[in-house]
Amino acid sequence: QSALTQPASVSGSPGQSITISCTGTSSDVGSYNLVSWYQQHPGKAPKLMIYEGSKRPSGVSNRFSGSKSGNTASLTISGLQAEDEADYYCCSYAGSSTFVFGTGTKVTVL
Amino acid sequence: EVQLVQSGAEVKKPGESLKISCKGSGYSFTSYWIGWVRQMPGKGLEWMGIIYPGDSDTRYSPSFQGQVTISADKSISTAYLQWSSLKASDTAMYYCVRRSGGGDWFDPWGQGTLVTVSS
Repeated sequence: QSALTQPASVSGSPGQSITISCTGTSSDVGSYNLVSWYQQHPGKAPKLMIYEGSKRPSGVSNRFSGSKSGNTASLTISGLQAEDEADYYCCSYAGSSTFVFGTGTKVTVL
Repeated sequence: EVQLVQSGAEVKKPGESLKISCKGSGYSFTSYWIGWVRQMPGKGLEWMGIIYPGDSDTRYSPSFQGQVTISADKSISTAYLQWSSLKASDTAMYYCVRRSGGGDWFDPWGQGTLVTVSS
């Protein structure tokens, strides 16, 4: 059960769109439409941003969107804002009530 | 309001045992899985394992199987993560999380418990 692969860092200017990829295998991301995404600001607990691949919890901005193709899930942040600067982690169900997180991506707003 | 409240920070020596807790409130504790997530200093999130308090069904990540024990006391709506012999490499922030009912995401998260293991 290896960690899902994410780019270490992604950056963009305010107002731009960025996309973070999350690559797994046919045993996790590829088998289930059950990828979730979490945002973590320094010193804080992670916060759920996307669930079931593309659904947003109440209160999460519609600037955040998720998708999946094959073994790769993606999180897109549109209209990038300073407050979006944080670490982002994907997480996939891996069967039998087990889960695996991604390696994490640091988003920098230039 | 659904909440998970974790026990406070711990400072331990190598070889000592430890049990940290996570108390759920605002929902039916026995009806939702509770998981544990490790975050070592400056590192990413790692899924450790999960327990269903209703029947104590427990699953572990292969990386943590045999290294920690997850348990729950449904009478006091509390889940636990314990070590029998701590190592310096166990130094980390530990979060408890509630698995969604009927889904596979984690919300809410506890505030985290910082465990420091140092001689």
